[in-house]
Amino acid sequence: EADIYQTPRYLVIGTGKKITLECSQTMGHDKMYWYQQDPGMELHLIHYSYGVNSTEKGDLSSESTVSRIRTEHFPLTLESARPSHTSQYLCASSESSTGDQPQHFGDGTRLSIL
Amino acid sequence: GENVEQHPSTLSVQEGDSAVIKCTYSDSASNYFPWYKQELGKGPQLIIDIRSNVGEKKDQRIAVTLNKTAKHFSLHITETQPEDSAVYFCAALTGGFKTIFGAGTRLFVKA
Repeated sequence: EADIYQTPRYLVIGTGKKITLECSQTMGHDKMYWYQQDPGMELHLIHYSYGVNSTEKGDLSSESTVSRIRTEHFPLTLESARPSHTSQYLCASSESSTGDQPQHFGDGTRLSIL
Repeated sequence: GENVEQHPSTLSVQEGDSAVIKCTYSDSASNYFPWYKQELGKGPQLIIDIRSNVGEKKDQRIAVTLNKTAKHFSLHITETQPEDSAVYFCAALTGGFKTIFGAGTRLFVKA
């Protein structure tokens, strides 16, 4: 069973605050991803990482930033939250072994900016 | 660019009936096709996958078929149950990094 954890599960916070969404996985996966998703709707890739010290922007432009200092940890930061950032954020990871592998998702952080 | 089209966007079936969700991909180099189920308040979870060297795969009530020539793949759920109600996503991968997801199908199973 996949072990990927996101905290917090829910966050309601005022405009202008700095926010960090945490994501950790215990599977030793090199590849990690962040998606933005309105609940039950399309998944939009906003950031990904091939491994430690690797970060790339995804298809959907985002004002957030990410870091990958440790294999197991891939936090996402919003320097100054705005109401347009209100959404659900999903973290995922996958193996780097030969052949394509499925992604393992966390249960998401639902973010509301007032 | 590469894309995956998924149909229908919403599907309502009676308990015990079958449900079929279809996807079409554009990149002929795609070689791995996972299906995910997302329940309310949860992240998507892998339910079945198929690789390009196989035409069909079955796991209990769930099956996936792949037609590489037509670039189509489909999810079949037989004997549907209320707990099958969820959003289902298809995806296609091309050796490397990129996963292209379909837009999702919301399945309702009526008891």
